[in-house]
Amino acid sequence: SQQGEEDPQALSIQEGENATMNCSYKTSINNLQWYRQNSGRGLVHLILIRSNEREKHSGRLRVTLDTSKKSSSLLITASRAADTASYFCATVTGGFKTIFGAGTRLFVKA
Amino acid sequence: EAQVTQNPRYLITVTGKKLTVTCSQNMNHEYMSWYRQDPGLGLRQIYYSMNVEVTDKGDVPEGYKVSRKEKRNFPLILESPSPNQTSLYFCASSPDGGSLGGYGYTFGSGTRLTVV
Repeated sequence: SQQGEEDPQALSIQEGENATMNCSYKTSINNLQWYRQNSGRGLVHLILIRSNEREKHSGRLRVTLDTSKKSSSLLITASRAADTASYFCATVTGGFKTIFGAGTRLFVKA
Repeated sequence: EAQVTQNPRYLITVTGKKLTVTCSQNMNHEYMSWYRQDPGLGLRQIYYSMNVEVTDKGDVPEGYKVSRKEKRNFPLILESPSPNQTSLYFCASSPDGGSLGGYGYTFGSGTRLTVV
């Protein structure tokens, strides 16, 4: 079953603009994670936010979590062409299962 | 270098011919997991293991087997592959499965399997 659902499915922006991706989920979670994948390669862990946290920053990344709405957003500021990739949210439940969404494809035009 | 190593990277096989995809990690991680990735479906968990000799089913375990005899290795076995198992497979590991200390996963580079 799909837990995380990303929105939008695809996003195209100019270099220097900000990119925002959203993730919604259905059940209670321990934490939510965001990953990046470059064209069929392995996923790379970007950031993790725990269920008792509301916002977290890492470099140009900002993640928010709203457990009442069961949603999270990933903001990439000042996007670069190298940020072109697919981005996935992953929810971790107490049962050690991790469920990934279908991803958002981001294209940053130089 | 800390990494998860999968082999092979590419594999074409015929229906019914047993195969094994190997996965090894050098980070002493307790938790390991297998995923398959199909277009439009994201990653779906096949099996995971919390420690040696401890494994459990993910969301799509049918047609797959796993074993965890050593901490570092977590092979994925397809006893009788079928065309619907054609997919991109990823192995991943973490210190705690993401639930306790809040660590992310380290992924392997993937195995692209085609069953004809």
